[in-house]
Amino acid sequence: DTGVSQNPRHKITKRGQNVTFRCDPISEHNRLYWYRQTLGQGPEFLTYFQNEAQLEKSRLLSDRFSAERPKGSFSTLEIQRTEQGDSAMYLCASSRPRGGEGGLEKLFFGSGTQLSVL
Amino acid sequence: LAKTTQPISMDSYEGQEVNITCSHNNIATNDYITWYQQFPSQGPRFIIQGYKTKVTNEVASLFIPADRKSSTLSLPRVSLSDTAVYYCLVGDISNDYKLSFGAGTTVTVRA
Repeated sequence: DTGVSQNPRHKITKRGQNVTFRCDPISEHNRLYWYRQTLGQGPEFLTYFQNEAQLEKSRLLSDRFSAERPKGSFSTLEIQRTEQGDSAMYLCASSRPRGGEGGLEKLFFGSGTQLSVL
Repeated sequence: LAKTTQPISMDSYEGQEVNITCSHNNIATNDYITWYQQFPSQGPRFIIQGYKTKVTNEVASLFIPADRKSSTLSLPRVSLSDTAVYYCLVGDISNDYKLSFGAGTTVTVRA
């Protein structure tokens, strides 16, 4: 279990540029989540995938944001025409198929990509 | 999704027990209570989860009264490394993919 890996760790970009982040989940995990976190706040849900299917998108995910998970493995989150308000930590998490133990999914988070839009 | 309320911050000293109470007055019958811990520049980490009464693991204990309208995360004998933000989340399995983390409780442990 190598954990959830996110790249890059930091990204500085100019307003109007496009950026793409990558997330490699834990290998046997079929669910993958993207969250956004701003300073002093908890993570906010953006979207999630079950295998390669994107099943839910938050209203926070404007049309400038797009996420993919080809082949149900790694995922990318792209932000087009970045704005200063996009500056945040972007977190990826994954979880394994729910077992018989009940309860909520246990999320395993990566260390995030810190985006700064100048 | 049940709304949760927790203190913004708490201070403690090494070796003490820290108890963080989370209020969730509108918790539903099928809801579970989960706690995460987050260190600076890292993603949150699952600590503990429960439905009722008491749950204990190697890291913490979770106390849930009979009415389930609140829960208390107990961290025994904290150390400086327990300084972190702690989040209380409540939900059921139909919506656990989009749980709300809220602002959490910042726990500061001093020497």
